[in-house]
Parts: sequence; structure tokens; C-alpha cells
Amino acid sequence: DTEVTQTPKHLVMGMTNKKSLKCEQHMGHRAMYWYKQKAKKPPELMFVYSYEKLSINESVPSRFSPECPNSSLLNLHLHALQPEDSALYLCASSQEGIRDEQYFGPGTRLTVT
Amino acid sequence: AQRVTQPEKLLSVFKGAPVELKCNYSYSGSPELFWYVQYSRQRLQLLLRHISRESIKGFTADLNKGETSFHLKKPFAQEEDSAMYYCALLIYNFNKFYFGSGTKLNVKP
Repeated sequence: DTEVTQTPKHLVMGMTNKKSLKCEQHMGHRAMYWYKQKAKKPPELMFVYSYEKLSINESVPSRFSPECPNSSLLNLHLHALQPEDSALYLCASSQEGIRDEQYFGPGTRLTVT
Repeated sequence: AQRVTQPEKLLSVFKGAPVELKCNYSYSGSPELFWYVQYSRQRLQLLLRHISRESIKGFTADLNKGETSFHLKKPFAQEEDSAMYYCALLIYNFNKFYFGSGTKLNVKP
């Protein structure tokens, strides 16, 4: 399996909801990433996990909470989001760290109402 | 502060013409530069990185520290090169990774 998978593909949530985005890879990669991509903008790095430890947190608001239960799985827990958080959320993985080639998932399209 | 600048939002060339996608970066130390590409309805994927010095799909890019540039070049564009191209900068010592705003390349028949 040489793909990064993300579920769900689309998510619509209210500002008071709690939801989670899921990312999975079975390439044996030890680094996983969350990016946020607004329309017509480049991806912006949010979090990096390396060997299941949070190594980079780009000053992301606490309403986004990442979790890496094991080296193959990465979650992004969402709570009390704002409409401006609506975006495409991309997951990526790489062999060991941020110097390595990143393999991207297809993204989850999130709409906050 | 804009760390990676791609001045062209859209670049249109004819098939067989040379193509150059510009990328400039802001960093005085030792950067690591990448080009990522996204073809229509496909995922973002790595095209090449400066440390490997490879030519991928006929594309090359040379890091010019004097001009702080990492322009992507191909001598003869093909229609299948039409895609969105992102230049990316890694500042390893500070754990910072930035994508440029992207250039959409359109190769016309």
C-alpha cells in the first residue's frame, strides 16, 4: 500500500460540534503532517509528528487538536470551529522527517456552518 | 513575511517551447528547496529537490544562492506538464516549511 488515505472526503459541521479527521498510511513512514489549504492558496503546515511525538506545532489554535495513536494513524480533532476554518485539510507522511519526500493524501474538504 | 515567492500565477506556453517557472526565497542561511506538482484531479507530489540534483520528467532546477532562486526549467514543454507547481522552502534548523503561492502551467497544443 503506497497511499495516504483520509476520511471523510467531505465534512460539514456546526460551530458547536466536535468531529475528527482521520489519516492513515501503511508505508512504514515515521513522520506525519497536517496542512490547511484555503481556496486558491498554498498548503500551510499545521502540525508534524515524528516517531509519534509532536515535533512541530505552527501556533495553531487549540480548537484543532492533533493525535498520533500509532505510526500509521494521525487524527485531527476539531471542536468549536469558526467559519473561517473551512478549508481543505491535507495529511502527508514521509520516511523519517521533514527533509524527506512528503506523500500527500487527497484531503478532507471541511465546511463550518 | 513572504518566504517563497512565485511571481507568476499562470504561465501559458505552446507545446515544444521552453518553460521556466520562477521561484525566489527569503533566507540567508542554508535552505533546502523543493518543487511539488499537482496534476488535475491528482494529489500533490514531489517533483524534485535541490539536494538530489536529478532531472525528473525533463525538469531541472538549480539553487542559486546569490540570487536566492530555484527556478524550474524544461527545454521542451509537453501537454502533460500542465499542472499546478509549488516551490517549497525548508529551513531545517528552525523546523519551518513553506510553500510558495503556486504557478499554474498551461501547455497548449
